[in-house]
Amino acid sequence: TQLLEQSPQFLSIQEGENLTVYCNSSSVFSSLQWYRQEPGEGPVLLVTVVTGGEVKKLKRLTFQFGDARKDSSLHITAAQPGDTGLYLCAGAHNTDKLIFGTGTRLQVFP
Amino acid sequence: ETGVTQTPRHLVMGMTNKKSLKCEQHLGHNAMYWYKQSAKKPLELMFVYNFKEQTENNSVPSRFSPECPNSSHLFLHLHTLQPEDSALYLCASSRNPSGYTFGSGTRLTVV
Repeated sequence: TQLLEQSPQFLSIQEGENLTVYCNSSSVFSSLQWYRQEPGEGPVLLVTVVTGGEVKKLKRLTFQFGDARKDSSLHITAAQPGDTGLYLCAGAHNTDKLIFGTGTRLQVFP
Repeated sequence: ETGVTQTPRHLVMGMTNKKSLKCEQHLGHNAMYWYKQSAKKPLELMFVYNFKEQTENNSVPSRFSPECPNSSHLFLHLHTLQPEDSALYLCASSRNPSGYTFGSGTRLTVV
């Protein structure tokens, strides 16, 4: 069974702090996506990375795909309460099927 | 509004009931999916439809029965469910191989 492990599982921080979430697998993926899910809603796509070593920035969020395309990280600078949510990574293998990670639940306190 | 609409948002049903979940998208996507989200578990893929044809059944019990009458609509028919089937059921669509657009989900409670 393919597995995407995310760490940490839970993270509680103060507004203004920086944080990094990791997504690791033993499998190679053709692409990897990050989603954020808020309570009572479905996940919302944040970014897709496809090239090993690729770095993408979305305002205060920086996403990196590992060189071997087995892992990824999400770094948030100066976290805001609005960043609170469940962060999910998901890997694809050139098919229409995504494998989702175990999730990181982030709480940012004002 | 995400472009993928799921109804109902909440559903409470007895173990002997029959109910259906509905998902609708008008994004022009060719693939639609059912996922189950339970507490403390990763999102579990249940079914995949591509151009109305089922391409994946991830060992889902027969008490869950999907239906895809056209590329814009997807149903999940439920019968004789168990309390452990209580979860958030998420529908998603995509235009391969792009990212998914999810609905807001149906929170199902089986009593």
